[in-house]
Amino acid sequence: SQKIEQNSEALNIQEGKTATLTCNYTNYSPAYLQWYRQDPGRGPVFLLLIRENEKEKRKERLKVTFDTTLKQSLFHITASQPADSATYLCALIAGGKSTFGDGTTLTVKP
Amino acid sequence: DAGVIQSPRHEVTEMGQEVTLRCKPISGHDYLFWYRQTMMRGLELLIYFNNNVPIDDSGMPEDRFSAKMPNASFSTLKIQPSEPRDSAVYFCASSFPGNYGYTFGSGTRLTVV
Repeated sequence: SQKIEQNSEALNIQEGKTATLTCNYTNYSPAYLQWYRQDPGRGPVFLLLIRENEKEKRKERLKVTFDTTLKQSLFHITASQPADSATYLCALIAGGKSTFGDGTTLTVKP
Repeated sequence: DAGVIQSPRHEVTEMGQEVTLRCKPISGHDYLFWYRQTMMRGLELLIYFNNNVPIDDSGMPEDRFSAKMPNASFSTLKIQPSEPRDSAVYFCASSFPGNYGYTFGSGTRLTVV
């Protein structure tokens, strides 16, 4: 069956460090993958998209990698700040349909 | 642009009542999605439209749920009759065609008692 797993429910890191979040999937052939940020009581906010033929994408302090052989995407936040604390969701898009992971809650401590 | 607008923000209703959730997508976005989010099941796609036409409703839980998009600027999700297990946050999102991210609304928190 199709499955998306985000590495852990919660990740705690110190301010200034790099946060790395993982999204693994099975039995999908996604055309592309998206990452979203969700704050409590709000809808997800789109951050980055990476296509199946792309290895890496960057936007300011964010970096996403996509390995279709390993069936894995890594999401990095460099020089993390307390304001980066939120839940981060990955979403796989295949055949026009989107499937979201359960999310990883990141807490950046000052 | 005001973004994707959903109403109401909160809805409390009694079991058996009809509930209608509303969504105004971003102008120019051809795709509209309805999602449901719960702690147990995460964010689930219920149905999506392309140019006002329903494309895939396989995520709609059962016949009590229905969705319409009468024009490019308005969509509704209706639950009739509502049940306590329908309690969740319902999100509407829209996007351009192609490889773009989705813009989500603020959601409607539905509580069925």
